[in-house]
Amino acid sequence: QQPVQSPQAVILREGEDAVINCSSSKALYSVHWYRQKHGEAPIFLMILLKGGEQKGHDKISASFNEKKQQSSLYLTASQLSYSGTYFCGTEEESNFGNEKLTFGTGTRLTIIP
Amino acid sequence: NAGVTQTPKFQVLKTGQSMTLQCAQDMNHEYMSWYRQDPGMGLRLIHYSVGAGITDQGEVPNGYNVSRSTTEDFPLRLLSAAPSQTSVYFCASSYRISSTDTQYFGPGTRLTVL
Repeated sequence: QQPVQSPQAVILREGEDAVINCSSSKALYSVHWYRQKHGEAPIFLMILLKGGEQKGHDKISASFNEKKQQSSLYLTASQLSYSGTYFCGTEEESNFGNEKLTFGTGTRLTIIP
Repeated sequence: NAGVTQTPKFQVLKTGQSMTLQCAQDMNHEYMSWYRQDPGMGLRLIHYSVGAGITDQGEVPNGYNVSRSTTEDFPLRLLSAAPSQTSVYFCASSYRISSTDTQYFGPGTRLTVL
């Protein structure tokens, strides 16, 4: 079951904050976040596991609400380098151990000076 | 470490031709996978492997075969190319999906089927 990401696209000025959401209709074991720049491979940002804590490094953090099967990625004081398409990947609890990751369709983030 | 390498970077095929996309990693990762990426569709899992000799199907396995004879290599074979298989193909590797370790993607192969 493909997770749903919102918004589909967002344009921000440098220094503004952004929140990207990822939700699933299935019970989740883990949520993975990636960023992809045009023409490049996706780059791993972080993984959140069921029962784990909110994660973050630098000005990018994420949370995982297990009751709502929802994860949010927070980008604070956005920089030009944050531009790209952000994907969440979800591992369903029912498939745990099957090693299957299902990606959302992405959120395109554009940062303007 | 070279990380995850993929060859070729670009390929043009005619309908009905077969070919193999190569993927290799030098990080001793157990888990390897193949995704295809189409505009507006995100990344869709084709096949994956949790170790040498073990493979399984993902969301969109039809028209593709894989094998995993070594830990390092995970080739993807297109049996009889169709225009619907025009896409960008990414190979990825990690220790396990639920591991908190990084999952690495290769640079991708851009395939066009005429």
